[in-house]
Amino acid sequence: DTEVTQTPKHLVMGMTNKKSLKCEQHMGHRAMYWYKQKAKKPPELMFVYSYEKLSINESVPSRFSPECPNSSLLNLHLHALQPEDSALYLCASSQEPASGNTIYFGEGSWLTVV
Amino acid sequence: GNSVTQMEGPVTLSEEAFLTINCTYTATGYPSLFWYVQYPGEGLQLLLKATKADDKGSNKGFEATYRKETTSFHLEKGSVQVSDSAVYFCALSKDNRKLIWGLGTSLAVNP
Repeated sequence: DTEVTQTPKHLVMGMTNKKSLKCEQHMGHRAMYWYKQKAKKPPELMFVYSYEKLSINESVPSRFSPECPNSSLLNLHLHALQPEDSALYLCASSQEPASGNTIYFGEGSWLTVV
Repeated sequence: GNSVTQMEGPVTLSEEAFLTINCTYTATGYPSLFWYVQYPGEGLQLLLKATKADDKGSNKGFEATYRKETTSFHLEKGSVQVSDSAVYFCALSKDNRKLIWGLGTSLAVNP
């Protein structure tokens, strides 16, 4: 069972809506991640938070806005999305952002933009 | 730059068949290597990992050995089950915070 919990599991939103994806982990991990995954493709890194500070933004459009309120929580705020943004959004965490540390993924939030 | 190449799928096997999914990598130094599995409609789960040369990762009957000389991390299982049907991703980690992914291999196991 994953210890990274994501809500909601499914989300349908219009292009003018504002919504948020939420992620929580209680493993004491200090690195948290957002990934985007299209069907049958590998996940694409979007953002990395390290010790609650944004450390990587992979040139993600500003209609995606991450937030890390504390070391256990990670949000992804969505606004004015496009249909091509429909995908599985995966939250993940690791003990620290180091190369040998395992990254643990949540079950994902399936986003459909209409 | 760093990269991962894994065999293209889909791979279709009968139950109890032997499975090999090839994975090779390009990286300087000594990356950490991972296999992740994604079951239909689910997120990614770590299947196994190895962090140094000659390490063998194993889990749920799957094994992979970190081969520095051939820059490979092939996934094997002696007897697959229908429940192993999934997409398998090989990945490496060299720099902090980033995983470099293969394109994934879809496995279908028929009863």
